[in-house]
Amino acid sequence: QVQLQESGPGLVKPAETLSLTCGVSGGTLRHYYWNWIRKSPGKGLEWIGFFSYSADTSYNPSLKSRVTISEDDSDNQFSLRLTSVTAADTAVYFCARGEPGVQTPGAFDIWGPGTVVTVSS
Amino acid sequence: QSVLTQPPSVSEAPRQRVTISCSGSTSNIGNNAVSWYQHLPGKAPTLLIYYDDLKSSGVSDRFSASKSGTSASLAISGLQSEDEADYYCAAWDDRLSGWVFGGGTKLTVL
Repeated sequence: QVQLQESGPGLVKPAETLSLTCGVSGGTLRHYYWNWIRKSPGKGLEWIGFFSYSADTSYNPSLKSRVTISEDDSDNQFSLRLTSVTAADTAVYFCARGEPGVQTPGAFDIWGPGTVVTVSS
Repeated sequence: QSVLTQPPSVSEAPRQRVTISCSGSTSNIGNNAVSWYQHLPGKAPTLLIYYDDLKSSGVSDRFSASKSGTSASLAISGLQSEDEADYYCAAWDDRLSGWVFGGGTKLTVL
């Protein structure tokens, strides 16, 4: 059974770079989309972006200039980098597997438990 | 402000039925599949419905969903206290080339 687990610093200073990793166990990165999604306090879920098994990437237009999602050099991990963070980036960050879909990416069928990231000096 | 519009909250008594609406446009719901997620506080969201109306493995038959045009809805029958959660709809948006979520609906079982 595939499981996802986020890891990374829980506290990031303003203007610095947020870096998180999602470890995938029980499966491979092939054939799926690998997403980052966040939930800020008092707000709903927000899709950050994905990279796909075919090495495509897609990012939320509102975050695109600051986001990079990529496969890690280590086996079965992918990462999120978000630069120039502000307090507005404080959130619970989830990694999630997206099904291949037909013409567009499919639903998020497996999620990690989430990791809290606070942006504060 | 979310691209997909959901009511902020709904409430209903135990054993009753509730529906949650999700309104979008031709670039998202009108042209792509809708999925629904249940999010309990402190937990990971879980997939309830995909491809508009297909139940994810292990999801109770009390959950059902439908779509018409640029709107979708999730129905929960036989409400139980364990159904209290936030519910989100989502769809791929062709214009944004990305996923969009509804703002979420908090379900309270009275």
